[in-house]
Amino acid sequence: GESVGLHLPTLSVQEGDNSIINCAYSNSASDYFIWYKQESGKGPQFIIDIRSNMDKRQGQRVTVLLNKTVKHLSLQIAATQPGDSAVYFCAEREDSNNDMRFGAGTRLTVKP
Amino acid sequence: DTGVSQDPRHKITKRGQNVTFRCDPISEHNRLYWYRQTLGQGPEFLTYFQNEAQLEKSRLLSDRFSAERPKGSFSTLEIQRTEQGDSAMYLCASSLGGWDRGINTGELFFGEGSRLTVL
Repeated sequence: GESVGLHLPTLSVQEGDNSIINCAYSNSASDYFIWYKQESGKGPQFIIDIRSNMDKRQGQRVTVLLNKTVKHLSLQIAATQPGDSAVYFCAEREDSNNDMRFGAGTRLTVKP
Repeated sequence: DTGVSQDPRHKITKRGQNVTFRCDPISEHNRLYWYRQTLGQGPEFLTYFQNEAQLEKSRLLSDRFSAERPKGSFSTLEIQRTEQGDSAMYLCASSLGGWDRGINTGELFFGEGSRLTVL
């Protein structure tokens, strides 16, 4: 069946560098995409979202890019900090239902 | 604290016992969701409420699982005759959702989860 997944399970970056976390999805009918951050022992925390009629959205230090042609989603974190260390999930949903589907996650480690 | 609250945070039980988890959503959020998350995996959708009505259920929600939201506020998730495979983190999320010009709106806010260990 269609699913959401991530290219890399782990990513290690130096403090101050930019991070890019990638996500591939296969449901071409998805209308809405979200990136979540999950720290150990905590629930997922919303970072940024984007709708399918957009290709880029910026937040504070984060940017989400959506390429519907190749069904690819990415999260860019500028000037990565130790507090950014966590597991990052992409998730997608069609407007016609409320089943938010998550990928397996990428663990980001920031080295001081 | 005005976030999503879940109780208990940790539960250890023996196989065959029943367990119940409670979720208190953000006040006035009309939508409430239950997810299950196992180690190293993303959350998996279990069920969704719009106010007190349970509108969607995943195939993962076997007949040993039941969820309620009787007054459209807090919700409970009960697992009967627990099995070792039920060991997981059970996450609750809420949103102030609706439809705006054909767009399904509402950002999900998650609680800290209830971790279940079945021995």
